[in-house]
Amino acid sequence: DIQMTQSPSTLSASVGDRVTITCRASQSIINWLAWYQQKPGKAPKLLVYKASALESGVPSRFSGSGSGTEFTLTISSLQPDDFATYYCQQYNDYSTFGQGTKVEIK
Amino acid sequence: QVQLQESGPGLLKPSETLSLTCSVSGGSVTSGGYYWSWIRQPPGKGLEWIAYISYNENTNYNPSLRSRLTISVDTSKTQFSLNLNSVTAADTAVYYCARSSSSWGSYHIWGQGTLVTVSS
Repeated sequence: DIQMTQSPSTLSASVGDRVTITCRASQSIINWLAWYQQKPGKAPKLLVYKASALESGVPSRFSGSGSGTEFTLTISSLQPDDFATYYCQQYNDYSTFGQGTKVEIK
Repeated sequence: QVQLQESGPGLLKPSETLSLTCSVSGGSVTSGGYYWSWIRQPPGKGLEWIAYISYNENTNYNPSLRSRLTISVDTSKTQFSLNLNSVTAADTAVYYCARSSSSWGSYHIWGQGTLVTVSS
């Protein structure tokens, strides 16, 4: 099965910072990758699918890139509402998630 | 606008069978060409896909859980269910239902989740 590894596990940042989260797949997943945001006690919310397609209603400060085995989620200017945990998900073969990246206030 | 709502027992004992239901409002499980999944999240941990059932009632299961799982559509076609037998403490988690547009896809719609605790 395909393993997904996110880095870092925790990220400390300030409002206005540019933030980048990386997700690596154990084998090529082409571009079958999604990113989710999860806040405590809430369900995950889809941000990006097919590596770089922004879900409807998601602010344009979020962007995704990558292909093959390496992918990134970038938040161009971190906002107070963005402090949360972020997960990547591959859906090239079955569906597996990364372990999560917590974005916390610096 | 389709919405999903999970329901479950809350608490059950080891070796019992967990039965969960996802109610679909604003749509039907068997129309629209969608795939309906169960995903779980142990407290403080990451997400694990469990199973899906498709609009035409094809099913697929996580290989690590397959022997204990059954997913089905209710006769109303507005609910789908998951049974997980022989539960242990390791099955304690928040269980989510979610919808994707393809068999292996991203999940655009999620329920709010239901916490299931396995404890004697």
